[in-house]
Amino acid sequence: QVQLVQSGAEVKKPGASVKVSCKASGYTFTSYYMHWVRQAPGQGLEWMGIINPSGGSTSYAQKFQGRVTMTRDTSTSTVYMELSSLRSEDTAVYYCARVKRGGSYFYYGMDVWGQGTTVTVSS
Amino acid sequence: QSVLTQPPSASGTPGQRVTISCSGSSSNIGSNYVYWYQQLPGTAPKLLIYRNNQRPSGVPDRFSGSKSGTSASLAISGLRSEDEADYYCAAWDDSLSGRVVFGGGTKLTVL
Repeated sequence: QVQLVQSGAEVKKPGASVKVSCKASGYTFTSYYMHWVRQAPGQGLEWMGIINPSGGSTSYAQKFQGRVTMTRDTSTSTVYMELSSLRSEDTAVYYCARVKRGGSYFYYGMDVWGQGTTVTVSS
Repeated sequence: QSVLTQPPSASGTPGQRVTISCSGSSSNIGSNYVYWYQQLPGTAPKLLIYRNNQRPSGVPDRFSGSKSGTSASLAISGLRSEDEADYYCAAWDDSLSGRVVFGGGTKLTVL
């Protein structure tokens, strides 16, 4: 079945970096964009950016420009999101979510989500 | 401060019809499609409505979406206890080189 399986919870110190993985299965990896969305405790959803697994092109939210890097490994159908210079405000659950290619980055909606990865930033 | 504006809470009794509003601007809802997500406690969001009013397979027809100008609405009819969740609207925004924007979320309580 179609699923996105993310890596486990992380605890990081301020100033460190974190790299979260999202492994896709059950569908053609390069036929879907992958978005990253985060949710701080008790807060709403915040879009971080998108990667096109076919070619690796990316587009990041302005807020995260310079701190976030999204990459992919087509041999393992895995996308990665690395966030650097972590601060306490980056404590959140990070989700990957796919969108079918063929329209704009968001045309078909995020139809499958990963289970989420909790990242805690604390000294 | 979310780009799209939703009421923080809504409520209804079983069997009732409830609507949740989502207000945006010309750069997002006014010129792009609206999407709705349901998030049950402790779980990932689930796509409920795409492209204003389309339901993915498996989503009951009790859920419907509409859009007019720079606003959109999600309607839930025949309210059930399992509908108690957070609901988020989303849209593509053409500003700042393009981005996805979300509403702040509406917590629906089934009384």
